[in-house]
Amino acid sequence: EAGVTQFPSHSVIEKGQTVTLRCDPISGHDNLYWYRRVMGKEIKFLLHFVKESKQDESGMPNNRFLAERTGGTYSTLKVQPAELEDSGVYFCASSEPGRHNSPLHFGNGTRLTVT
Amino acid sequence: AQKVTQAQTEISVVEKEDVTLDCVYETRDTTYYLFWYKQPPSGELVFLIRRNSFDEQNEISGRYSWNFQKSTSSFNFTITASQVVDSAVYFCALRPVAGGGADGLTFGKGTHLIIQP
Repeated sequence: EAGVTQFPSHSVIEKGQTVTLRCDPISGHDNLYWYRRVMGKEIKFLLHFVKESKQDESGMPNNRFLAERTGGTYSTLKVQPAELEDSGVYFCASSEPGRHNSPLHFGNGTRLTVT
Repeated sequence: AQKVTQAQTEISVVEKEDVTLDCVYETRDTTYYLFWYKQPPSGELVFLIRRNSFDEQNEISGRYSWNFQKSTSSFNFTITASQVVDSAVYFCALRPVAGGGADGLTFGKGTHLIIQP
C-alpha cells in the first residue's frame, strides 16, 4: 500500500511569490489533514478535510493560505503571496473514513523556504 | 485548550542504554487519545502508538514501552537497549475524542534522540 505522498519535497521561493503544495493521501482515506512545523516550534494543525469538504480549518493562519481537495482525492495547499514567516515543513496526513480514533499517516513533508 | 510538553529538547545516550522520553499533557477533555510519532532523518512522521484515556494499562512492543499515568497527565516512552537506528525526533501528541471527529492533533515540540555507537 502506497503511503501519503507529498510534492515537492523542497521548495525555495522569494517573498511575494506563490507556491502550491500537493498531497496524495492513502487510497480510501477520506480524512486528510495539513500540518506545518515552523523552525523550532511545535507541529501545528492547519485544517482537516473529510472527502472534499473542509471539516475544520481553524488552524489556517490567514487568508494567504488556500487549501482545496476537489473530488475528494488529492489536496493542494497554496500560499499566495508567500511571506518569510511561512518558511517551515508542511506535513500532510490521512486517516481512515469515519473513525475519529484512527491514527494519522503522515507524508514526508514539504520543506518550504521563503527568502 | 490543549497543551503537550516535551521538556527534553535533546537526549544523547550510548547504544544499548535504556532511555525514557517524557511527555506531559494538559486538556480539559475527559476523553482523549495520546500518540507517539517518530521522525527519522528521512523526514516522515511514523506512527508508533495510540492510547485511549480510558485505558491506563502500560504497553510493551519489543524494545518500546509506554507508561500512561492519568494522575500525573504523563505518557512517557521508554526504549530499552537502544540502537543507533532509534536516532530520530520523537513527538508526543494529544487528540480529544470530539463528537464529529473533526479535530487535529496537538503536538509537543519533540525530543531529538541521539544514539551514539
